[in-house]
Amino acid sequence: DTGVSQDPRHKITKRGQNVTFRCDPISEHNRLYWYRQTLGQGPEFLTYFQNEAQLEKSRLLSDRFSAERPKGSFSTLEIQRTEQGDSAMYLCASSLVADSGNTIYFGEGSWLTVV
Amino acid sequence: AQSVTQLDSQVPVFEEAPVELRCNYSSSVSVYLFWYVQYPNQGLQLLLKYLSGSTLVKGINGFEAEFNKSQTSFHLRKPSVHISDTAEYFCAVIRNTGGFKTIFGAGTRLFVKA
Repeated sequence: DTGVSQDPRHKITKRGQNVTFRCDPISEHNRLYWYRQTLGQGPEFLTYFQNEAQLEKSRLLSDRFSAERPKGSFSTLEIQRTEQGDSAMYLCASSLVADSGNTIYFGEGSWLTVV
Repeated sequence: AQSVTQLDSQVPVFEEAPVELRCNYSSSVSVYLFWYVQYPNQGLQLLLKYLSGSTLVKGINGFEAEFNKSQTSFHLRKPSVHISDTAEYFCAVIRNTGGFKTIFGAGTRLFVKA
């Protein structure tokens, strides 16, 4: 039983470039989340999918950010025209609708450094 | 909306001593509560959760937490810590009806000294 998988684990990019992160959730999980975490802070909610439908987006998610989950399985998070303030760890998590406690399980995270 | 306050940003403690990491939450509705641990450069791992029933919940690695509804608290405890417990600990909350967004506190860094 594999956990949540994220790729790449680390990305260094120049300001203004586009980056894309991929997340593969636990196979039977139908909910998928993206969070952002900066140093010394807890994870902040960015967006949430149930199957392929994106049901909520945080105001933190500017129009430079877009997330997709085309077939209700893996998801991608793209950041266009990166800025230094985008430097953070981007965490993906998944859960099962049938789990009444909605316990979420995290991947290892994708570190983004914008130089 | 829900919110979580972790009262201590850092807790230094000697090995084999007991420790308590404090967490208070705010919510107008009933919630589920969680503690997660994060080791350096890794994602978050679930330590324990409170859904209902007994207010004392036991988790992995010898940790336990007690839910106190009147004080809106969910403090994490361990009777004897090890060097390997050095990590960041996050308290989290989600509404227990129709909730999908887990809200996290800012974290408490536990530093265990030899």
